[in-house]
Amino acid sequence: AQKITQTQPGMFVQEKEAVTLDCTYDTSDPSYGLFWYKQPSSGEMIFLIYQGSYDQQNATEGRYSLNFQKARKSANLVISASQLGDSAMYFCALPSGSARQLTFGSGTQLTVLP
Amino acid sequence: NAGVTQTPKFQVLKTGQSMTLQCAQDMNHNSMYWYRQDPGMGLRLIYYSASEGTTDKGEVPNGYNVSRLNKREFSLRLESAAPSQTSVYFCASRFRPAGTNTGELFFGEGSRLTVL
Repeated sequence: AQKITQTQPGMFVQEKEAVTLDCTYDTSDPSYGLFWYKQPSSGEMIFLIYQGSYDQQNATEGRYSLNFQKARKSANLVISASQLGDSAMYFCALPSGSARQLTFGSGTQLTVLP
Repeated sequence: NAGVTQTPKFQVLKTGQSMTLQCAQDMNHNSMYWYRQDPGMGLRLIYYSASEGTTDKGEVPNGYNVSRLNKREFSLRLESAAPSQTSVYFCASRFRPAGTNTGELFFGEGSRLTVL
C-alpha cells in the first residue's frame, strides 16, 4: 500500500530565509511522482510543483524546489527567500492505484515570521 | 474559465437529513474526485471517477454515494447525514496523460458542511 508521511505538523521560518518541508513516501510502484500543494487560510488548494521519479533533475518553480532523494524515499519542498504570504498549510501527495488517484499527507503548517 | 465549481459553499444539516454536493468542471478533464478534509488529517479520498461512466471508492466511502452525470459533473450525496460527516469537502478534476503520473489536481473552493 502507498503511504505518504509529513512529520512536521508545524514549522516557523524568518522572513527571507529558506525553509525545507519534509515528505517521505512508501510505494511499490516502479514509476511514480510527487506533488506539493499549498493551502492558505482562505482554504483553496494551490498546486506548487511536481516531479516524476524518473526525472533526472530536481524540479524548480520560482522560489519552490523539490529535493527528491529516491534512495531515502523523500521529496522535500524547499522554499527560498520566504515571504509572509508563504504562511499556509503545505501538503505533499503521491499518485496511487489503478487510476493514479492522489493520496495526501497530513500537512505541515508553515508560519513565516516578520 | 471557471475551473472547478462546487455548490453549495456552506450547508448545515440535521442528523438524518440528506443532501447532494454538486461539482462541475469546464476543463474537459476525464477524472474527477471528491475529498474530505478534517482538522489535522489532510485530505482523504471519498470517491473518484477516472472517466465518464465509471466511479470507484476511495479511502473513506461509507455514508456517501456519487454520480458521474456526464464528463463535466460529479455529484456527492449524503443519504442520511451523521455528525461524523461534518467536514470540508473538495471536488477536484484532473487530466492525466495515459501511462503517466503527471497532471495536477484542480480543486474547487470547498464546501463546508456541518451536521448537527
